[in-house]
Amino acid sequence: EVQLLESGGGLVQPGGSLRLSCAASGFTFSGYAMTWVRQAPGKGLEWVSAINGPGTNTYYADSVKGRFTISRDNSKNTLYLQMNSLRAEDTAVYYCAKRPYGLDYFDYWGQGTLVTVSS
Amino acid sequence: QSALTQPRSVSGSPGQSVTISCTGTSSDVGGYNSVSWYQQHPGKAPKLMIYDVSKRPSGVPDRFSGSKSDNTASLTISGLQAEDEADYYCCSYAGSYIFVFGTGTKVTVL
Repeated sequence: EVQLLESGGGLVQPGGSLRLSCAASGFTFSGYAMTWVRQAPGKGLEWVSAINGPGTNTYYADSVKGRFTISRDNSKNTLYLQMNSLRAEDTAVYYCAKRPYGLDYFDYWGQGTLVTVSS
Repeated sequence: QSALTQPRSVSGSPGQSVTISCTGTSSDVGGYNSVSWYQQHPGKAPKLMIYDVSKRPSGVPDRFSGSKSDNTASLTISGLQAEDEADYYCCSYAGSYIFVFGTGTKVTVL
């Protein structure tokens, strides 16, 4: 059974940093691209960042480019999102999601972790 | 990377059909047959309902169907049931590992 479990969320001050983790199980983690999607309170879903299976290629939404870094450790079956220079508008539930090999959608999602940026 | 446009809300009585539109551009919806739809109940993670415009994952009732014409995709729920009341989001591939989501539609079962 595929499982994705996010962690690392919490309260952080504007300008601060936070690292999210997503522990994966139930599939060959290194073979699949992974994605972070966020949802601000009461708002819609926003694609944030993606990384290919080997971890050699990364992609970002304009809203986080230069501040967020996606990475993965395939030996630990874990996806990461390093978030720096956080702003109030980064407050959201952050979901990790799995993308089927070579296909353009997300078949499994984690339960999400809440990041709150506030002084 | 502008969000795809969806109606804010749609509603219908049990047994009726509702259709949600999702309008993008030739760089996303119109450029790829890679539109997916997600159902989200309050406080829950999104769930895949439709992928590749019109395909249903195993376990999704055939009451859910998808289509696309030019830059607009649509999700139709036929035979509306109480458990279908949720938020629905479309999503389109936009090239180079980038995706764009729709603004979201709240479906209310009257």
